[in-house]
Amino acid sequence: DAKTTQPTSMDCAEGRAANLPCNHSTISGNEYVYWYRQIHSQGPQYIIHGLKNNETNEMASLIITEDRKSSTLILPHATLRDTAVYYCIVRAPSGYSTLTFGKGTMLLVSP
Amino acid sequence: NAGVTQTPKFQVLKTGQSMTLQCAQDMNHNSMYWYRQDPGMGLRLIYYSASEGTTDKGEVPNGYNVSRLNKREFSLRLESAAPSQTSVYFCASRPGQSNYGYTFGSGTRLTVV
Repeated sequence: DAKTTQPTSMDCAEGRAANLPCNHSTISGNEYVYWYRQIHSQGPQYIIHGLKNNETNEMASLIITEDRKSSTLILPHATLRDTAVYYCIVRAPSGYSTLTFGKGTMLLVSP
Repeated sequence: NAGVTQTPKFQVLKTGQSMTLQCAQDMNHNSMYWYRQDPGMGLRLIYYSASEGTTDKGEVPNGYNVSRLNKREFSLRLESAAPSQTSVYFCASRPGQSNYGYTFGSGTRLTVV
């Protein structure tokens, strides 16, 4: 799986959009970009994934650059409950390949 | 719909004791996984089961054994617990060969003294 690079931490004001970047310059053509988050003391939670098109669901939007070397997870209206560690993971969907979690980005949403 | 259920939620063991961590999912998923998470670190894969009847080692399998009892249940056993196995253990499942996301349990916090 391709390696990803994320900032260690970010801050966001409640109600504002949180934009979390991720670099994955060695991504292969068949690898998807996945985002998970982990709220303190809980198990990781799947957020969204994409291949090359931008994706949106009820939780977030995922913007992938045209060259696919980086992506941004957008939480449109961050709340205090969005404070968590966010993990960007790149993996191919074929076979039974597993997730490789790095250290992620600690997002702190403040009032 | 419970998702992935792990038991127990907390456990304290003495060095050398054995125990089994239980995991069950009710989503009819084919693949199941055991991860551990140490303070300040990401998750590391211990073992996984791609489908009922199969198991494979992950990144850190030493000191652990697993059993895929049936499609729903995947247990993790520590035969002789060591302080280095103090960690939070997460079980996860996913449908199988696909690009679906994983569903994780809420974790078992294990302390070995």
